[in-house]
Amino acid sequence: RKEVEQDPGPFNVPEGATVAFNCTYSNSASQSFFWYRQDCRKEPKLLMSVYSSGNEDGRFTAQLNRASQYISLLIRDSKLSDSATYLCVGTNAGKSTFGDGTTLTVKP
Amino acid sequence: DVKVTQSSRYLVKRTGEKVFLECVQDMDHENMFWYRQDPGLGLRLIYFSYDVKMKEKGDIPEGYSVSREKKERFSLILESASTNQTSMYLCASMLGQGGELFFGEGSRLTVL
Repeated sequence: RKEVEQDPGPFNVPEGATVAFNCTYSNSASQSFFWYRQDCRKEPKLLMSVYSSGNEDGRFTAQLNRASQYISLLIRDSKLSDSATYLCVGTNAGKSTFGDGTTLTVKP
Repeated sequence: DVKVTQSSRYLVKRTGEKVFLECVQDMDHENMFWYRQDPGLGLRLIYFSYDVKMKEKGDIPEGYSVSREKKERFSLILESASTNQTSMYLCASMLGQGGELFFGEGSRLTVL
């Protein structure tokens, strides 16, 4: 079993849709969690950190449930520019483990 | 602006050749990492380093070694390249132990 598992996708949604990505992690010692965005043939870049209290950045909301070892990312009012691969990451003692990523395509 | 620079974007090597992938960061970060990324397998950690001259094995260290002689530079070495090492290699750095990873643009290696 992988340490970080994501919805396999792909997700194909129309503009304006709300889409949710889920991720589970098996290492209960993981301390920090993040969502990264990776565009085609580019390097991953940080989208947002994930906290138990939940955090919001514009149209993006991330949530961590430590009891269920579950992380989520919600994108509201999807834009064409949101098309990318979204990577869930758990970090323990400085070592970051990535999920395989979920590909999102937003269509006009 | 923070920057992680990988020396080569594209390399083509032959089986058995020695390959050096260089990575330099200008953020004075203690921690540096080498990942490889393959379709269907995601990013997998090869080696990482918490300080100069320190190195730790990641999840897939076989066939690789690393060198960190200076804080800003972390090199990945393939002693004898094989075709199954054809991949995208990503270097990253991190300040502290639970923060954001900053990636270089990647080095796409093809081993023939």
